[in-house]
Amino acid sequence: GAVVSQHPSWVICKSGTSVKIECRSLDFQATTMFWYRQFPKQSLMLMATSNEGSKATYEQGVEKDKFLINHASLTLSTLTVTSAHPEDSSFYICSARQRGGFNQPQHFGDGTRLSIL
Amino acid sequence: GENVEQHPSTLSVQEGDSAVIKCTYSDSASNYFPWYKQELGKGPQLIIDIRSNVGEKKDQRIAVTLNKTAKHFSLHITETQPEDSAVYFCASHTGNQFYFGTGTSLTVIP
Repeated sequence: GAVVSQHPSWVICKSGTSVKIECRSLDFQATTMFWYRQFPKQSLMLMATSNEGSKATYEQGVEKDKFLINHASLTLSTLTVTSAHPEDSSFYICSARQRGGFNQPQHFGDGTRLSIL
Repeated sequence: GENVEQHPSTLSVQEGDSAVIKCTYSDSASNYFPWYKQELGKGPQLIIDIRSNVGEKKDQRIAVTLNKTAKHFSLHITETQPEDSAVYFCASHTGNQFYFGTGTSLTVIP
């Protein structure tokens, strides 16, 4: 149980392209989803927290117009990297937290490797 | 805000030996402490967790201990196997957020 599917797993695209990444909770309802960015050999950096049906809360230093997050349903959140540039190349990981209170575990997707040429 | 520190950053053990990874946290309101295993090119996978009202939890070869007074918690892996090689992250939960440690790269030498 508690499977999170993230798609696509790898994207290579030209500079200036917008890229959408999907995160789905397959067998549970996720009231909260988190989006992280991870650089090689580093820890997870929280970008934003999204609650179903409301606007995402972005961490300091993360441009909300650059990284658009939508959490339209209890099983789907999307991250769109708009007008991507080489410095946006990174490993993006989503996670979803089950209903049941703030101390429920979060379950991670397998990440999306984004490479901007 | 919360500050989670994790040690060591790298750890090599012989197959069959035990491995211990330690984390400290700063916020006494933190109430939930999961551990994640991340293999190369994949997302972190939850392997064990502990809540603040429990001192120890065990699941087969892995165990976690929590000392709320000292604000530290540890992951113990016994009888290590090559497939245990990965990066392990601790985390603490307070408010509506999770705070991650910097990771420990564990290598189990056959």
